Amino acid sequence: DAKTTQPTSMDCAEGRAANLPCNHSTISGNEYVYWYRQIHSQGPQYIIHGLKNNETNEMASLIITEDRKSSTLILPHATLRDTAVYYCIVTAGNQFYFGTGTSLTVIP
Amino acid sequence: SQTIHQWPATLVQPVGSPLSLECTVEGTSNPNLYWYRQAAGRGLQLLFYSVGIGQISSEVPQNLSASRPQDRQFILSSKKLLLSDSGFYLCAWSGGQSYNEQFFGPGTRLTVL
Repeated sequence: DAKTTQPTSMDCAEGRAANLPCNHSTISGNEYVYWYRQIHSQGPQYIIHGLKNNETNEMASLIITEDRKSSTLILPHATLRDTAVYYCIVTAGNQFYFGTGTSLTVIP
Repeated sequence: SQTIHQWPATLVQPVGSPLSLECTVEGTSNPNLYWYRQAAGRGLQLLFYSVGIGQISSEVPQNLSASRPQDRQFILSSKKLLLSDSGFYLCAWSGGQSYNEQFFGPGTRLTVL
């Protein structure tokens, strides 16, 4: 079962930052936070992951709170192609449990 | 570079018919392999995962089964399909370490009529 809670949907204006929250209040010390996104009818795409430090790559930034009970995925300059369902996953092993994610719509 | 293949891309099958979906990975060895299902409007559900040849772990009891006859081949099967088996089936692989991300194939859209 998914151990995360995400809003069902969000809108973001094109060119603005998209901030997607995720609650994982029962996260264990050895569990990582992963973010994936799924564009309609395609397989999920890895975005970023972290343990306790904030992370940044070419796609996004991941901000993890100090108590690790929540995190935020930041897409710094959202484009129309970022419209997708975004999944937040916590796992310590190989099994990933996807919830229903957040459906992000980037509006022109 | 690593690639993952799934076929067929789409499939329409009658209730009670058998099923065989195949997934192969290229460019890596000893991958962890996974089968997921996504019903319409739902999140992804982990069905099976495998850490090696012949090693299959089932996450959800159902009328599906999985096999791994070769290191980079993962097969999802059913002897008799149900209407509820309709969905988008995704195969994924990871590099074997717990912190490794999973890479997904293009998926198979199965419709059971």
